[in-house]
Amino acid sequence: DTEVTQTPKHLVMGMTNKKSLKCEQHMGHRAMYWYKQKAKKPPELMFVYSYEKLSINESVPSRFSPECPNSSLLNLHLHALQPEDSALYLCASSQDRLAERTQYFGPGTRLLVL
Amino acid sequence: GQQLNQSPQSMFIQEGEDVSMNCTSSSIFNTWLWYKQDPGEGPVLLIALYKAGELTSNGRLTAQFGITRKDSFLNISASIPSDVGIYFCAGHKPYGGSQGNLIFGKGTKLSVKP
Repeated sequence: DTEVTQTPKHLVMGMTNKKSLKCEQHMGHRAMYWYKQKAKKPPELMFVYSYEKLSINESVPSRFSPECPNSSLLNLHLHALQPEDSALYLCASSQDRLAERTQYFGPGTRLLVL
Repeated sequence: GQQLNQSPQSMFIQEGEDVSMNCTSSSIFNTWLWYKQDPGEGPVLLIALYKAGELTSNGRLTAQFGITRKDSFLNISASIPSDVGIYFCAGHKPYGGSQGNLIFGKGTKLSVKP
């Protein structure tokens, strides 16, 4: 099974709202990733968790706050977003970050910020 | 961020035709991955390549890891309508810090010939 699940599938939020995106995998992977993808562009890396610790933050604004409660779950907390943050947010996982790095993606959350 | 050179940018297919696309880089890669993405969905891993010269098939798809470790190609034989979508190549450079991140090509959009 190479399934990564994400909820919600779609999200509309105002600029003053607080919301969270959720990602889950049960493959025993120890690296999990958040990507942002704009239309017709490749995914852009935002955060990497390795063994439940944040290992990479690609200079993402603080209005995006990641959290890894355990090895199967990854959250992305959103607060005071801007309309330009509207995008497809993808979660991915890999066995680990360095040795077995093949990444499997979830279906994404389509976010619209009004 | 750094991207791979993926070509063609777009192409039209007629059912039954063979399709070919490739990715090149000025740097060597340890891993080449090929993903397909349908609109509004996450990228789905098609083929993963781990060794220079490796040739791997997945049904009608065949991909190769270039012998120089700087390129890869994907072939689709006898295309069918459900092959339409965006194909991304991606790769890992020899790991170390952010160089361990997955680097994406800009994508090849496959559409059906009008």
